[in-house]
Amino acid sequence: AQSVTQLGSHVSVSEGALVLLRCNYSSSVPPYLFWYVQYPNQGLQLLLKYTTGATLVKGINGFEAEFKKSETSFHLTKPSAHMSDAAEYFCALRTSYDKVIFGPGTSLSVIP
Amino acid sequence: GAGVSQSPSNKVTEKGKDVELRCDPISGHTALYWYRQSLGQGLEFLIYFQGNSAPDKSGLPSDRFSAERTGGSVSTLTIQRTQQEDSAVYLCASSLGRASYNEQFFGPGTRLTVL
Repeated sequence: AQSVTQLGSHVSVSEGALVLLRCNYSSSVPPYLFWYVQYPNQGLQLLLKYTTGATLVKGINGFEAEFKKSETSFHLTKPSAHMSDAAEYFCALRTSYDKVIFGPGTSLSVIP
Repeated sequence: GAGVSQSPSNKVTEKGKDVELRCDPISGHTALYWYRQSLGQGLEFLIYFQGNSAPDKSGLPSDRFSAERTGGSVSTLTIQRTQQEDSAVYLCASSLGRASYNEQFFGPGTRLTVL
């Protein structure tokens, strides 16, 4: 069975500090992995995705994530947090033609 | 270009009433998804349409929930005899085809409140 876990339902960082949001997955076949961001009262917006090839993927707003097969992880990072990064972040997995499996989400707060 | 649109943006209804939620996907997107997001929760998959194939209804929580997609475009999610636990934000997403690398584009959601 496929699953996505996100360690930490709430993460707080200071403005300018490193952002690290954790995502681990379980899949018996090679996964396609996505990170989405949801701002208050809005739908989800794609930040970045990993399909094949380079394991370090760069997305919008300075975010990047690294696919580590050995650790079954796809953690999201940003070197320096900005106030506008405060939002809910969802990691998602898809294999073959299956529906997308979303993690429970991590709420990011940025402290000025 | 237009993104995924949903209507209404907010719906307040009384327990026991039926509601219809509408989703207009991005033109040309053959895949359409409905999700439910309860307060403070992640996304719960409800139903998935792909082209003319039979929809994947495996996520519908009860037989009070149904959805259809007309002409491979607009979709309507219907909830009959609404209950208070149906209160949530209902999100629709579309994507270009079935390929796994196709990301989903989400609408802004419909916030349903059942009194």
